[in-house]
Amino acid sequence: SQQGEEDPQALSIQEGENATMNCSYKTSINNLQWYRQNSGRGLVHLILIRSNEREKHSGRLRVTLDTSKKSSSLLITASRAADTASYFCATGMEYGNKLVFGAGTILRVKS
Amino acid sequence: SQTIHQWPATLVQPVGSPLSLECTVEGTSNPNLYWYRQAAGRGLQLLFYSVGIGQISSEVPQNLSASRPQDRQFILSSKKLLLSDSGFYLCAWQTGYGSYEQYFGPGTRLTVT
Repeated sequence: SQQGEEDPQALSIQEGENATMNCSYKTSINNLQWYRQNSGRGLVHLILIRSNEREKHSGRLRVTLDTSKKSSSLLITASRAADTASYFCATGMEYGNKLVFGAGTILRVKS
Repeated sequence: SQTIHQWPATLVQPVGSPLSLECTVEGTSNPNLYWYRQAAGRGLQLLFYSVGIGQISSEVPQNLSASRPQDRQFILSSKKLLLSDSGFYLCAWQTGYGSYEQYFGPGTRLTVT
């Protein structure tokens, strides 16, 4: 079953603009992760935020987590054409190491 | 550094034929290993995971099975493929020592005809 639901399903922006993707989930979590997938390729881990953290940065990425609303957002600043990909959130359950992935957001950055 | 391999990259198989997909990890020991399937335009569905040799947990009852004959080898199999088995199959590893990130292989595109 899919726990995380991304919003929007697709996003098209101009190079240099910021891109924001949202993820909502249903049950208590240990951590939430974001992954990127280029067309026809495997997923690449971007960033992990733990349930006791509210915000995390990595380069041009900023992730926020609101456990009271069971939601997270991924912000990509100053987007580049190379950021064009699908982005997935994945939730780690309170117990165990498994992840549950959402359906993803397709991001297109136009140059 | 750690690397993960999957083969074949693409596969076209007729309905009713057997399947064997292989995943191997290098540069780490005793990893947690995962098999996922991704339907077109969808997220990942966890099929199997393994925390050690011979230890397989199945997430979804289906036409597939998995085995882990060696520490860094994970195999996905089927005796008779169905049309619904078509998809993109991804293998992933995780250190399993309090680290939750997963690292994915390049995937196998399976088309059942």
